[in-house]
Amino acid sequence: EPEVTQTPSHQVTQMGQEVILRCVPISNHLYFYWYRQILGQKVEFLVSFYNNEISEKSEIFDDQFSVERPDGSNFTLKIRSTKLEDSAMYFCASNGRDSSYEQYFGPGTRLTVT
Amino acid sequence: SQKIEQNSEALNIQEGKTATLTCNYTNYSPAYLQWYRQDPGRGPVFLLLIRENEKEKRKERLKVTFDTTLKQSLFHITASQPADSATYLCALAGSDAGNNRKLIWGLGTSLAVNP
Repeated sequence: EPEVTQTPSHQVTQMGQEVILRCVPISNHLYFYWYRQILGQKVEFLVSFYNNEISEKSEIFDDQFSVERPDGSNFTLKIRSTKLEDSAMYFCASNGRDSSYEQYFGPGTRLTVT
Repeated sequence: SQKIEQNSEALNIQEGKTATLTCNYTNYSPAYLQWYRQDPGRGPVFLLLIRENEKEKRKERLKVTFDTTLKQSLFHITASQPADSATYLCALAGSDAGNNRKLIWGLGTSLAVNP
């Protein structure tokens, strides 16, 4: 069964460094998302992406964040200058046909900023 | 502001019983509501979706109800098994879903099914 994959599973970085989190959504899906979950807290929406552009972003998704779909298969989230409070699990999700609203999540990348 | 609340206490039930989890929301008019399962350290897994014009949806041992007047959804697992132990998340999407189907999430309810 097709699944969303994410790499790396765990990333440790120092404050101020750039990180790129990578996702490969399910191949025929059209809508892509990044969410994050700080330990013990709710899943929070960051950004949605459709037709090669951002369709919505949350207040969390400030100028330090960017997304790209460089080659038709990968979907990346870049944080330019990480802060301690960026430490969280980052989940990529996708969904497919216009009439299908359920989202399929990857296993997540645990980002630790020290 | 929009708020989604789920049973804050963990739910412990005996194997074979029915688990009932609650999701209440305020200041929101969702086009549809979804339930996901999350195991520790893993991503959410989709279980069921119910639309604003539907009252009830079933899938195998799972049942969801949706009352837009009460602004509440109930999620039932019948004949529960220890393997059903997990955190269950309620997520809502707005009536203007369009090309953006972002989900807003509850904190989740932890369910433990004891053998």
